[in-house]
Amino acid sequence: KAGVTQTPRYLIKTRGQQVTLSCSPISGHRSVSWYQQTPGQGLQFLFEYFSETQRNKGNFPGRFSGRQFSNSRSEMNVSTLELGDSALYLCASSLMGSGANVLTFGAGSRLTVL
Amino acid sequence: GENVEQHPSTLSVQEGDSAVIKCTYSDSASNYFPWYKQELGKGPQLIIDIRSNVGEKKDQRIAVTLNKTAKHFSLHITETQPEDSAVYFCAASRRDTDKLIFGTGTRLQVFP
Repeated sequence: KAGVTQTPRYLIKTRGQQVTLSCSPISGHRSVSWYQQTPGQGLQFLFEYFSETQRNKGNFPGRFSGRQFSNSRSEMNVSTLELGDSALYLCASSLMGSGANVLTFGAGSRLTVL
Repeated sequence: GENVEQHPSTLSVQEGDSAVIKCTYSDSASNYFPWYKQELGKGPQLIIDIRSNVGEKKDQRIAVTLNKTAKHFSLHITETQPEDSAVYFCAASRRDTDKLIFGTGTRLQVFP
């Protein structure tokens, strides 16, 4: 059974650009959540999607957005990139997103903003 | 607000010794407490979890204890091995959500 797949694994952007990251959950999983990991702030929750609806959002500016498709795949977008957006972006999926199921994380997309 | 404190930030032990990592959470509505292990270049991997209706859970060399009254939970690793070396994160979440509040992580080093 394939795990959570995130693409791209590595990318470099410059300030002011925008970026889109993709996440394919484990087959059958309907909930996808996103986290930002940095050395200074640790692991911080970005947003959570279930059945194409955003159910929860963390304390990030509006430049961070996401969506989920009918096949449960998810994308997150960061516009007008800043140096501080350099981070490992992690996607996690679970069966029902009810808090009763285990979250499985992908390997992450490492974004470097120059 | 929601917060999870984790200690220590680094922990060095000799192979075969035990390691203990402690976490404290602030949200009294939290009812799910997973522990993740993250190795270099990989995403966090769940190693054990506990729910608020249970006080202790064990899986081979790993155990987790939960004190709801004190809002503390701890990870215990016995008979440590070099492959246990990694960063460990505790987390807490409420019912009906996948939103995890993570601790700041503990870098565990097991020396042969």
